[in-house]
Amino acid sequence: QKEVEQDPGPLSVPEGAIVSLNCTYSNSAFQYFMWYRQYSRKGPELLMYTYSSGNKEDGRFTAQVDKSSKYISLFIRDSQPSDSATYLCAFLSGTYKYIFGTGTRLKVLA
Amino acid sequence: GAVVSQHPSWVICKSGTSVKIECRSLDFQATTMFWYRQFPKQSLMLMATSNEGSKATYEQGVEKDKFLINHASLTLSTLTVTSAHPEDSSFYICSAGQSFMNTEAFFGQGTRLTVV
Repeated sequence: QKEVEQDPGPLSVPEGAIVSLNCTYSNSAFQYFMWYRQYSRKGPELLMYTYSSGNKEDGRFTAQVDKSSKYISLFIRDSQPSDSATYLCAFLSGTYKYIFGTGTRLKVLA
Repeated sequence: GAVVSQHPSWVICKSGTSVKIECRSLDFQATTMFWYRQFPKQSLMLMATSNEGSKATYEQGVEKDKFLINHASLTLSTLTVTSAHPEDSSFYICSAGQSFMNTEAFFGQGTRLTVV
């Protein structure tokens, strides 16, 4: 079983749609949960991070963590063409090393 | 958020030559920086952890003599790809975190290396 599973997509949605991006993980030692956005040929940009189960909201973005199910999600409301990018989930344990998902490519169609 | 600057953003070099990539934390001090490699449509793979004032820690399977890392100051780490070969062509990215636990890591813009 892979330590992190993330659907690679591509995921195509119309502008204004609600987008749901998901990752599952198997390592119970993960303490921090992050979502990064990466545009083509650019470095990842931190969107959100959290360390507890539940929801965390920041503008149009909501990060959700369910530790009991080992499942995290990122919701994007009112999606825009500028949201088109690859979204990476990332996990951090006490070793301070990040474990990344493979990324989901999102296309928001105008 | 904090800014991590990486230079150059792209480089083309001949086989057998060496290439140096710089990673700078512009507005904070980073005792630890990380170097990743990313192949097309794949995730980031950690290559090594760069520690200021000490030797880097390399991940399993990464040749330390080929990928030389120097962390000379609290704001600068360099990765030198020595005797580059076409299979070294990839996207290299550095990151640095502001906190002790390395949460909220910030990434450089990446360097696309092409070896011809």
